[in-house]
Amino acid sequence: EPEVTQTPSHQVTQMGQEVILRCVPISNHLYFYWYRQILGQKVEFLVSFYNNEISEKSEIFDDQFSVERPDGSNFTLKIRSTKLEDSAMYFCASSLNSPLHFGNGTRLTVT
Amino acid sequence: DQQVKQNSPSLSVQEGRISILNCDYTNSMFDYFLWYKKYPAEGPTFLISISSIKDKNEDGRFTVFLNKSAKHLSLHIVPSQPGDSAVYFCAASQDGSGNTGKLIFGQGTTLQVKP
Repeated sequence: EPEVTQTPSHQVTQMGQEVILRCVPISNHLYFYWYRQILGQKVEFLVSFYNNEISEKSEIFDDQFSVERPDGSNFTLKIRSTKLEDSAMYFCASSLNSPLHFGNGTRLTVT
Repeated sequence: DQQVKQNSPSLSVQEGRISILNCDYTNSMFDYFLWYKKYPAEGPTFLISISSIKDKNEDGRFTVFLNKSAKHLSLHIVPSQPGDSAVYFCAASQDGSGNTGKLIFGQGTTLQVKP
């Protein structure tokens, strides 16, 4: 069965540094998402992306965040200047007239 | 944001018995509900869904019931198996299908099925 793949599985970065989290959605999917889960908290929606543009974003998704689909296969989340509170599991998801399929996540640790 | 609530953080049942996981919501605009299962170090995996026009959906051992007037849904697993031990998330959407819009998740319920 096709999978959403995310790399790296764990990323450690220093506060203020830029990070890029990478995702390869399922190939025929058209809708792409980023969610995050801070330890002990709910899975939270960050952003949805369709037709090469953001279709919806949450309050969390401020100017420090950006998404890009640089080619036909990758979908990236960039955090420009990381803060301690950005430490979380970040899940990429994709869909095509189907329930969202999630990747296994990238654990981001900001020190 | 407490639009979707799972009030039981954990549930323990014996293998072969029924597991009932509950979820409440406050937003009457939600029209599609989903259950996801999550194992450690993995992402959420879709389990079953229900549209607000239905009150029951069944898939094998899994049945979801929706009570719109009470703004309550539940997931029944019968019979429960040890491999069902995981965190179960209730999620809701108001985009018409739940397949293209954002999902609002509950806090999750950790199910342990004892052999």
